[in-house]
Amino acid sequence: GAVVSQHPSWVICKSGTSVKIECRSLDFQATTMFWYRQFPKQSLMLMATSNEGSKATYEQGVEKDKFLINHASLTLSTLTVTSAHPEDSSFYICSARHRDRGRLNSGANVLTFGAGSRLTVL
Amino acid sequence: AQSVTQLGSHVSVSEGALVLLRCNYSSSVPPYLFWYVQYPNQGLQLLLKYTSAATLVKGINGFEAEFKKSETSFHLTKPSAHMSDAAEYFCAISRYSSASKIIFGSGTRLSIRP
Repeated sequence: GAVVSQHPSWVICKSGTSVKIECRSLDFQATTMFWYRQFPKQSLMLMATSNEGSKATYEQGVEKDKFLINHASLTLSTLTVTSAHPEDSSFYICSARHRDRGRLNSGANVLTFGAGSRLTVL
Repeated sequence: AQSVTQLGSHVSVSEGALVLLRCNYSSSVPPYLFWYVQYPNQGLQLLLKYTSAATLVKGINGFEAEFKKSETSFHLTKPSAHMSDAAEYFCAISRYSSASKIIFGSGTRLSIRP
């Protein structure tokens, strides 16, 4: 089945530094990926839509200069949290869109999620 | 705008009992609806999805959900709970296609009592 890998799964950084999180589709090409953040015991909030070869589309209220998204290839999207602050500490999850060939096997477009990256800013 | 509301942030059932997780939606266009499960410190796994075909949707791990337009509901059920079902469950909605931007509900934590 389709696999999306996120790296790192856990990162701790100092306030003011930048952190890059990678999202890779391992066995399929993904022209579109989505980035979410999730605060403890809360739901996922969509941050941006990442399109291969073009600029990301950010949701209202998400600072594009703060959360840099690059989708340079069909299998890789990166999220860089710049000048990180403690309030940026969160669980960041990516998803990639592809044709369903998994257990539901509907043939329709579906999303496969990565396992998430937990960022802690000290 | 689209949204989903999950009733009950925490549901606890006994092992072997019926699982019922509630989700109501709001949408100005025919929606695509999903249920996802999240285990601790992991990403999300798709349980099932409604894409305007059959109103009763069967998913993985014995779960199913019924789309009821008159009630704007998409409740998730499983006849007999298993300890391994303990997790966070999210109802979600999207428009235009089955994998466009997805809006998630607030989640329901399911606990299973031995």
